[in-house]
Amino acid sequence: DVKVTQSSRYLVKRTGEKVFLECVQDMDHENMFWYRQDPGLGLRLIYFSYDVKMKEKGDIPEGYSVSREKKERFSLILESASTNQTSMYLCAIRLGSTNEKLFFGSGTQLSVL
Amino acid sequence: AQSVTQPDIHITVSEGASLELRCNYSYGATPYLFWYVQSPGQGLQLLLKYFSGDTLVQGIKGFEAEFKRSQSSFNLRKPSVHWSDAAEYFCAVAFFGNEKLTFGTGTRLTIIP
Repeated sequence: DVKVTQSSRYLVKRTGEKVFLECVQDMDHENMFWYRQDPGLGLRLIYFSYDVKMKEKGDIPEGYSVSREKKERFSLILESASTNQTSMYLCAIRLGSTNEKLFFGSGTQLSVL
Repeated sequence: AQSVTQPDIHITVSEGASLELRCNYSYGATPYLFWYVQSPGQGLQLLLKYFSGDTLVQGIKGFEAEFKRSQSSFNLRKPSVHWSDAAEYFCAVAFFGNEKLTFGTGTRLTIIP
């Protein structure tokens, strides 16, 4: 089975802190995605990566950056956390081309105080 | 830019009744369409997908969806709902050559006895 692991289930940070959210896959998949999920807004794409050191902005990249130094790990970085970044963050991988499904991690609920 | 609209934020259905959840997308090319379900406290699970061929697709848990190009729609249906179907349902769209998967805002389904 495909496994997508997000390092923390719950995280509490203070405004202005630098925050790292980690996502690790156990297979050799190219495509990895970071979404945030908010009530009434659904899932919104922050960034995605289709290979090592390759990244593309999604729909809401402001305030975020990403890092993909190794194929299995895709990190989301909040350079200076703000309260409006309190959200559920979901990492996903795709096994193949655009018409293939996404496999999601269990999510990280981030609270910025 | 591609977008997905789920016009119903919340739907309440009696157990045993039929269900239809609406989804419309916007863009010019042929879409790849997906329905995901998220049960309370759970991750997202793929119900079904469409990328070509027969416009009526069958999914897991007794769900089906029909792609209607003329209406830019991909509505999800189930003839008889069960209490375990209570969850949030997300429609999503992608397009050939574009790695991005865009989600709708979701429809929350409540089942009453």
